[in-house]
Formats: sequence, structure tokens, C-alpha cells
Amino acid sequence: KQEVTQIPAALSVPEGENLVLNCSFTDSAIYNLQWFRQDPGKGLTSLLLIQSSQREQTSGRLNASLDKSSGRSTLYIAASQPGDSATYLCAVNGGATNKLIFGTGTLLAVQP
Amino acid sequence: DAGITQSPRYKITETGRQVTLMCHQTWSHSYMFWYRQDLGHGLRLIYYSAAADITDKGEVPDGYVVSRSKTENFPLTLESATRSQTSVYFCASRHRGSYEQYFGPGTRLTVT
Repeated sequence: KQEVTQIPAALSVPEGENLVLNCSFTDSAIYNLQWFRQDPGKGLTSLLLIQSSQREQTSGRLNASLDKSSGRSTLYIAASQPGDSATYLCAVNGGATNKLIFGTGTLLAVQP
Repeated sequence: DAGITQSPRYKITETGRQVTLMCHQTWSHSYMFWYRQDLGHGLRLIYYSAAADITDKGEVPDGYVVSRSKTENFPLTLESATRSQTSVYFCASRHRGSYEQYFGPGTRLTVT
């Protein structure tokens, strides 16, 4: 059974710092991996989707990498801003139907 | 309004009552999903649908019923609500040609 783990559970950094969020999964047979952002009391916003054949995806200050063989993905946030404060979730998709298995998230606080 | 909407946004009900959560999307996405989000468990898939009149179970389907008579709607019914079904429920959808899922704002359900 696929299990997804995100470490750390919470992270606090000063504004301007570069940071890395980690996601690990137990079964390397995945179709893709998706990173989401969730603001308090809100739904999830898709940030990046990496296909199994890709090594990384970039969007603005965000860069997500994928190492299938080791069961790891990282989300790199450059020059963090207070507006980046949110919970970041990763989710893996093990099949064509796209039934996502989620990690429990990393709560990020960027201090001004 | 375009996008994916959920109603109601907040609901309090009593144990044993039937309650239906609504999900509507305007993109004509083929796939729709229901998740629940609980502290310590993250998001877990309840049911999903690949098209109108096609539904299938996810990770935690017990106590829930779904239907999909129209592409744009995917209601979730709790036939006899229990306290363990107190949660935040999210609906999501995706286009058949893409793996990226788009989430609604969520419904916070409290069963007393």
C-alpha cells in the first residue's frame, strides 16, 4: 500500500530565505506526483505536477524535483515571502485513474 | 461562475440523519472525486467518477453514496450520519487528457 510522508510537519523561516520541502513515498511505481498549496479554511491549489518520466518542473519561484527510484520529491521555494505561508501537500498518483494518495503536509510560516 | 463549487460550505447535522453534499463544475471535466480531510490522516479518497453514470470506490467509501447523472454534478450522500464523519469534504475534478486535479473550496461538516 502506497504511503506518503512529508517532513518536516512544520517549518518557520525568515523572509527571503530559500527552503526545501520534502516528500517521500514507499512505492516507486507512480504515474506522477502533484504539489498543492492549501491556505487556512480554503481548498487546494495545484502548484506543480511532475510526470514519472520527468526529473523536475518549474513555475516562477517554485521548483519541484522527482527521484522515482529513491521515492523522493522536493519542492524548492526561492526567496520566500510572507505570502508563501500555507500548508504544502504532495500527492502521488499510482494509476491512470489518478486516485491521489496524499501526504499530511508541511505547514510553512514565513516571518516578515 | 466558472470553476468548481461546493454547497453548503458549512453544515451541522445530527447523528442518524441523511445529508447530501453538492459539487458542481463548469469545465465539463470527465473525472470527479470526493475526498475527506481529517487531522492526522490528511486527505483520503472516498469515491470517484470517470464519467456520467460511472462511479467507483476510493480508500474510505463506507457510509457514503454517490451518483453522477450529469457530467457537471457529483453529489455525496451520507445516508445515516455518524460522528466519525465529521470532517472537511473536498470535491475535485480533472479533464480526461490531464492528470492535474482542481479542488473546490470544501464543505465543513459537523455531526453532533
